[in-house]
Amino acid sequence: GAVVSQHPSWVICKSGTSVKIECRSLDFQATTMFWYRQFPKQSLMLMATSNEGSKATYEQGVEKDKFLINHASLTLSTLTVTSAHPEDSSFYICSARDSSGSTDTQYFGPGTRLTVL
Amino acid sequence: QKEVEQNSGPLSVPEGAIASLNCTYSDRGSQSFFWYRQYSGKSPELIMSIYSNGDKEDGRFTAQLNKASQYVSLLIRDSQPSDSATYLCAVNFGNEKLTFGTGTRLTIIP
Repeated sequence: GAVVSQHPSWVICKSGTSVKIECRSLDFQATTMFWYRQFPKQSLMLMATSNEGSKATYEQGVEKDKFLINHASLTLSTLTVTSAHPEDSSFYICSARDSSGSTDTQYFGPGTRLTVL
Repeated sequence: QKEVEQNSGPLSVPEGAIASLNCTYSDRGSQSFFWYRQYSGKSPELIMSIYSNGDKEDGRFTAQLNKASQYVSLLIRDSQPSDSATYLCAVNFGNEKLTFGTGTRLTIIP
């Protein structure tokens, strides 16, 4: 299957700082990427849909000014958590949509564990 | 509202037996269906995709789709302890997003 990477895999930061997470599709081009958040023992929660060259579409209740998304190329999307607070501590996972060929499938990155002190 | 439902489990299955995971969805017009496996503390991993009615087999895994009944299942044959994980059913309801079920936690008992 297709490979999606995320960097960093974990990050610890102080309250009030900003953190940037990168998501890359390594062997396919992804016009659409997705950002999810998952708290312990809870379901995946879609935060936003990131389309290459256009503004991201945020799910209801997700603050667009706090979670900045940039999808500058067909293989890279970034999520910046601005002015992070302890309640932003979570597991952030991206996925990339591979719609080449006859299938349309999402492949997930390995996730980034964010801890805000 | 378009929904995907799964039994949260836990589902316990003896090693070597068949594990059967079930999922129902709300929109009869849905076209794409996926099963992901998620180990604790890890991100989801694609196991199977299925697009047409019937069975699709890949190794020990078989996905079954019945669009008339709005039902998709995953069978795991010869279950192994390494199959212990949460299994997520996901449906594409016609837009670019996937809608996930809450997942079924599967435990294979040695």
